[in-house]
Amino acid sequence: EVQLVESGGGLVKPGGSLRLSCAVSEFTFSHAYMSWVRQAPGKGLEWVGRIKNKVDGGTTDYAAPVKGRFTISRDDSKNMLYMEMNSLKTEDTAVYYCTVGGSVMEYWGQGTLVTVSS
Amino acid sequence: DIVMTQSPDSVAVSLGDRATINCKSSQSVLYSSNNKDYLAWYQQKPGQPPKLIIYWASIRESGVPDRFSGSGSGTDFTLTVSSLQAEDVAIYYCQQYYSTPPTFGQGTKLEI
Repeated sequence: EVQLVESGGGLVKPGGSLRLSCAVSEFTFSHAYMSWVRQAPGKGLEWVGRIKNKVDGGTTDYAAPVKGRFTISRDDSKNMLYMEMNSLKTEDTAVYYCTVGGSVMEYWGQGTLVTVSS
Repeated sequence: DIVMTQSPDSVAVSLGDRATINCKSSQSVLYSSNNKDYLAWYQQKPGQPPKLIIYWASIRESGVPDRFSGSGSGTDFTLTVSSLQAEDVAIYYCQQYYSTPPTFGQGTKLEI
C-alpha cells in the first residue's frame, strides 16, 4: 500500500520560513510527478505546486499565490519530497497534503498543519 | 485559470436513495485530440485526506464501489451515488486537470 507521510508543519510568525517533508513508500517514487495541495481550516482544496519526474526534466510549477515564495524539490534516492516555504503569510495557514500525481492526485498523505500567526 | 463551480453546496439524501452532485467548468475540459475530459472527483470524509474516486470524468478508481458513477462532457459533469450508504457521507470535490493550475470546485457536502 502506498504511504505518504508529511512532516515539518507547525506555528510560524508572518514573514517566517518552514520546510515541509514527505516520505513516500511502496511506490516507484522516481517515476512519479508529485504535488502539494493545501486546505485552509474549514475551506476547500487548493493546488499549491508540483514537480515532474527527472525523465521529464524535474521542473516545477506553482500556483500564483505562492510563486516566488515556495520551492518544491525532490530526492529520488531517499523517496522524499520537500517544500521550502518563505515569506509566509497568515493566508498560508492550512493543512498541507503531499500527493502522488501532477494532474490527477492519485494518493494523498494525512497532511501537516502549518499555522502562520503572530 | 479554469473556475470550477459545484452545485448544490450541500445536499441531504435518505439511505438507499440517489444522490446527484453537479460540477461546471468555466471552459471546456474536453481535449479534442484524444476525446477525453480532464475531470476528476474526490471524496473527503471528516478528519481524512481526500481520496480519488473518479478520473477522466467517468472512470472509477480501483476499489471504488460501483454505486459511484461520473458522467458529462465539455463543461458540465455529474457525480451520482446510486444508493446512498452511511459511509458515503463526505464532502465531494470536482477538479479539472486540463490546464495548469489544476483547480477544484468549492465542494459539496453530502449528508443523510
